Amino acid sequence: KAGVTQTPRYLIKTRGQQVTLSCSPISGHRSVSWYQQTPGQGLQFLFEYFSETQRNKGNFPGRFSGRQFSNSRSEMNVSTLELGDSALYLCASSPGAHTEAFFGQGTRLTVV
Amino acid sequence: QQQVKQSPQSLIVQKGGISIINCAYENTAFDYFPWYQQFPGKGPALLIAIRPDVSEKKEGRFTISFNKSAKQFSLHIMDSQPGDSATYFCAASIETSGSRLTFGEGTQLTVNP
Repeated sequence: KAGVTQTPRYLIKTRGQQVTLSCSPISGHRSVSWYQQTPGQGLQFLFEYFSETQRNKGNFPGRFSGRQFSNSRSEMNVSTLELGDSALYLCASSPGAHTEAFFGQGTRLTVV
Repeated sequence: QQQVKQSPQSLIVQKGGISIINCAYENTAFDYFPWYQQFPGKGPALLIAIRPDVSEKKEGRFTISFNKSAKQFSLHIMDSQPGDSATYFCAASIETSGSRLTFGEGTQLTVNP
């Protein structure tokens, strides 16, 4: 079975721009969660989608948004980028609610 | 109440030794406790997980010990190898929060040859 695929792997954006990251979960998994990883704050939960519905949201500003498609693929969008948004963005897929979560390799976003 | 506290921040162990990483939590609603291993440039990989109905779970060289009354759980790596050198994260989740994981701060493990 293929693992979680995140694209692109690396991104460099300018302050004020917006960015869209993509995640393809493991086949058959219906839950996709997004996390931000930084050296200072560690791994922080952004949001979770299950069957195209946002089921959970972390403590991030409204500039961070996401969606899930009918094939369970998910995208997250960050608008009006700030320098502090530079981070590794990780996607995790789970077969259902409250089960094992498997992470992708992440997208490294650098905001300059 | 949603925090998971992890210690130590860094750990150096000799090859063949036992590595022990500890985590503590406050929220008694947490009912799923996984451990993840992360190598540089990679995403976290699920190592082993436990639910509160058991006090210990072993998979190969990795063992989770769980103390419900103390609200603590720990990862033991037996016969530690240089290839185990990585960052380890404990995490916890609540059934009513779906797949949302609350992570500890991470432990940088170095196993010297």
